Amino acid sequence: DADVTQTPRNRITKTGKRIMLECSQTKGHDRMYWYRQDPGLGLRLIYYSFDVKDINKGEISDGYSVSRQAQAKFSLSLESAIPNQTALYFCATSGIGEEDTGELFFGEGSRLTVL
Amino acid sequence: KQEVTQIPAALSVPEGENLVLNCSFTDSAIYNLQWFRQDPGKGLTSLLLIQSSQREQTSGRLNASLDKSSGRSTLYIAASQPGDSATYLCAVMTSYGKLTFGQGTILTVHP
Repeated sequence: DADVTQTPRNRITKTGKRIMLECSQTKGHDRMYWYRQDPGLGLRLIYYSFDVKDINKGEISDGYSVSRQAQAKFSLSLESAIPNQTALYFCATSGIGEEDTGELFFGEGSRLTVL
Repeated sequence: KQEVTQIPAALSVPEGENLVLNCSFTDSAIYNLQWFRQDPGKGLTSLLLIQSSQREQTSGRLNASLDKSSGRSTLYIAASQPGDSATYLCAVMTSYGKLTFGQGTILTVHP
């Protein structure tokens, strides 16, 4: 099984619909991240969480919300999807501490298309 | 605000060449720097991670160096192969865990 699992892998939806992308990890890491990737713009940070009670906005959080249901689960929601949210979304985890190097582990990505 | 720049944006080389990809960052107060590989439409695979106290890391044909004082890292690929064709991304992590990516270098190795 993958260390970081994202669902769904692909989703096509219509403008105005609510969408949730889910991420779960088996690394035991405290830190989880959501990024979106667009051609020519690289990866941009949407939200990040350092533990269940610590959630922070990234560069481009407008139009998105997140929920950290447990250490292993971090969900990204689009309350009312719009076409410019069409992108490839990645979840990632890392651990920082005596036994962790801060290495980042990525899921396979969720491709979202908003029509 | 940390800014990460990768040069060149794209590179095409014949098989067998040694090549260097460059990554520069504006804030030298980093925790680590990672190099990733991404195949089209796929996720990111970690290649090498250099801690802020290290100068370089090696894995097979790959060698990554870090010069914090000048805000630069290089990824050296020896004896390139067509299978090395991918996008290579560098990412810099601050001490409080925030990660900033460069826009990547698209590498094509032709037979």
